[in-house]
Amino acid sequence: NAGVTQTPKFQVLKTGQSMTLQCAQDMNHEYMSWYRQDPGMGLRLIHYSVGAGITDQGEVPNGYNVSRSTTEDFPLRLLSAAPSQTSVYFCASSPLIGRSGNTQYFGPGTRLTVL
Amino acid sequence: QQQVKQSPQSLIVQKGGISIINCAYENTAFDYFPWYQQFPGKGPALLIAIRPDVSEKKEGRFTISFNKSAKQFSLHIMDSQPGDSATYFCAANWEDSSYKLIFGSGTRLLVRP
Repeated sequence: NAGVTQTPKFQVLKTGQSMTLQCAQDMNHEYMSWYRQDPGMGLRLIHYSVGAGITDQGEVPNGYNVSRSTTEDFPLRLLSAAPSQTSVYFCASSPLIGRSGNTQYFGPGTRLTVL
Repeated sequence: QQQVKQSPQSLIVQKGGISIINCAYENTAFDYFPWYQQFPGKGPALLIAIRPDVSEKKEGRFTISFNKSAKQFSLHIMDSQPGDSATYFCAANWEDSSYKLIFGSGTRLLVRP
């Protein structure tokens, strides 16, 4: 099992450019999510999905889009990059077991810089 | 806003010492409190977790102490080792939203040899 994989590992964008961060998992987990990590602010939830075709907004969704066409993949799209989106982005997945206590498995992260 | 407040922001401990990281929460509906460990350049990984029906959980050198009345919980690392140097996040979630985690702001731990 590769677990949760993310590509690219690093990316530099110019303001206004768009791009897609890729995330895939091979554990057949229903739940997938995107977080951003900024110094002193912990991990903040951007968007999440509880299954193919189902997505919802997290705490900081503005400027980001997601879709989930398969169980395995959950790409994050930046529509028009802004310097405020400079961050490290983590994708995570977990099984849904019907109550709290799910372990979330994180990918290695994508470090994004917007100039 | 559901929040989990974590302190300190950074911590330096000598090898063999005890590292203590504290978290406080407000939402009494939280019923699961995990701690995640993150090494530089890696994603966070689950370290240890507790539910509010117990006051303490120990796994090796790592212990969570939980005070339900004070709405606080803490991570204790006994006999801290340089290999424990990492960022630690406390988190919480609640049964109505079993998959969403609320994270604290993180503590960067450095264990000196």
